Order: sequence, then C-alpha cells, then structure tokens
Amino acid sequence: GAVVSQHPSRVICKSGTSVKIECRSLDFQATTMFWYRQFPKKSLMLMATSNEGSKATYEQGVEKDKFLINHASLTLSTLTVTSAHPEDSSFYICSASGSDSGGFWAFFGQGTRLTVV
Amino acid sequence: GQSLEQPSEVTAVEGAIVQINCTYQTSGFYGLSWYQQHDGGAPTFLSYNGLDGLEETGRFSSFLSRSDSYGYLLLQELQMKDSASYFCAVKAAGNKLTFGGGTRVLVKP
Repeated sequence: GAVVSQHPSRVICKSGTSVKIECRSLDFQATTMFWYRQFPKKSLMLMATSNEGSKATYEQGVEKDKFLINHASLTLSTLTVTSAHPEDSSFYICSASGSDSGGFWAFFGQGTRLTVV
Repeated sequence: GQSLEQPSEVTAVEGAIVQINCTYQTSGFYGLSWYQQHDGGAPTFLSYNGLDGLEETGRFSSFLSRSDSYGYLLLQELQMKDSASYFCAVKAAGNKLTFGGGTRVLVKP
C-alpha cells in the first residue's frame, strides 16, 4: 500500500535556528499533502495544505513566514520551522489523502518530534 | 467552521465491546473517518463513511447517520493492543480533514 515517509523522527534545536522536515510519498504521486501539529494528549490541528508547484494554503492563525512549506515535486513536501522558539516544540505530522474508486484513503508520516531548547 | 465532539476517555476489559461516539457540526461535509494513534506514534487510518450505514473492517466497524450528524466507531473483541487514542475526522472539500479531540481507550486485562 501507499507509504508516506517523514524525516527526521526527532530533532532538538537551539532557539533561533531553523529546522526542515521532509515528507515523501514513496509509491504514489501526491499533488496535495497536509501538515499537522499535535500537542501532547491533544488533537491534530491542520496547519497548511501543501500544493505541488504552487503556494501552500495556510489555516487561519498559522504564520506562513514562520512555517515555510515547499512542494517542489510530486513526491516531496518540506516544512521549515524558521527561527524556532520553545513554543514551537511539538509533534509535526504530514499526511496524504485522497478519494478514488475504492473510497477515501489517508496515510500519515511517522511524525517529527521537535524540541526547541 | 467545523467542530467535533467525542468522549475523552473510555476504559474496558479485554474481550469487551467499546463504542466511541462522534457528533459533528460542519459546513461542507463529505464524510466521516476514524484513526487510531498509539502513544508516541502517528495516526493510522481505520475507516471511512461517506454514506449512511455501517462499514465493517474486521473487529472494527464504523457507522454514520448524516441526518443526525453522528457517527460511531465500534471496537469488538478488545485486545490489549487496542489501547490507544481514537480520532474521528470530518472530510471536507479537497480531502481536508478536521479532527475531533480524540478518545483515549484503555484496555484492562
């Protein structure tokens, strides 16, 4: 079945630095991918929709200059957390979902646990 | 906007049946899906209901009533490995998902 691979799984960075998270679709082409953020014991909050070859669509309240999304190919979307601060520490998850004759499907990356110190 | 309500926690014993209810208020509803997430892991897709009725996948079944804006996930023959958080999510246009708050299921021996 389809697999979404996310890297790195864990990262610790210093305040003020930037961190890039990669999300790859391994056996299918994803024109759209989604980026979520999840705090401990909380739900997944959609941050943005990553669109291949065009600008990402950000949800209300998400700073697009802080969370840079690039979707330069049909198999790779990246999320860069710029000038990270401790409050950016969270679990970030990418996803690809779609609908076909078999119904709806959704696959998630392994997630990236970001700790900013 | 979208809002989904589901119980925060459910405890049951091995072999039991658990039903997790989900009510929603949305604009642009296309379907309801369910996900399982173990502590420290990423969500995995369990099921999807685009139409009213029951969908069965092994020990797990999901139900939807669009007129009642209500659905549920049924976990049968509970096993210890089913201890996890379960999320309902509304599918909107463009395959965007809005998740409920999650239900933590604790299975006891």
